[in-house]
Amino acid sequence: DAKTTQPNSMESNEEEPVHLPCNHSTISGTDYIHWYRQLPSQGPEYVIHGLTSNVNNRMASLAIAEDRKSSTLILHRATLRDAAVYYCILRDSGGGADGLTFGKGTHLIIQP
Amino acid sequence: EAGVAQSPRYKIIEKRQSVAFWCNPISGHATLYWYQQILGQGPKLLIQFQNNGVVDDSQLPKDRFSAERLKGVDSTLKIQPAKLEDSAVYLCASSFRGTGELFFGEGSRLTVL
Repeated sequence: DAKTTQPNSMESNEEEPVHLPCNHSTISGTDYIHWYRQLPSQGPEYVIHGLTSNVNNRMASLAIAEDRKSSTLILHRATLRDAAVYYCILRDSGGGADGLTFGKGTHLIIQP
Repeated sequence: EAGVAQSPRYKIIEKRQSVAFWCNPISGHATLYWYQQILGQGPKLLIQFQNNGVVDDSQLPKDRFSAERLKGVDSTLKIQPAKLEDSAVYLCASSFRGTGELFFGEGSRLTVL
């Protein structure tokens, strides 16, 4: 799997938007960009994924650069419950062995 | 919908002992994964099953780790003999199909003394 680069940690205030960046300069044409998050003492949970176009769901938005070498996960209005480690992962759509390769992620701290 | 079930939640053993973890995936999910998460790191894939066949076990330390999914439903991960560096959370995940969203269990925390 291609490598991603994320900041180790970020801090934001409650009820403000949060923009979590991810660089993936070696992304291939068949790689989807996936985001998962891991709350304390829990397993990771799916947040969102996309290929080329920006994506929105009830949890977040994903903005993908035109050249696909970077992306940004947007939490529109952070709550204390959003404090977690956020992982940006590239996943080949070709099938077969496709287990996610996690990096260290970004530790998001939310201040009340 | 019931989530991915794992047991035990916590296990403490001495080095050189053996341990087994059990996982029951979401009903109908053909793909099952085992991950190892050491404190402060992201999860690392150990093995991936598609039904009862192994798709990827390239990062499984086969001298001491084994996993099976005999009937294509629940799965067991075994460590024998355990080493200190095996202390970690062992996460099981499942997906409806290989490229779908992964659903993770809460994990089994292993401490090796």
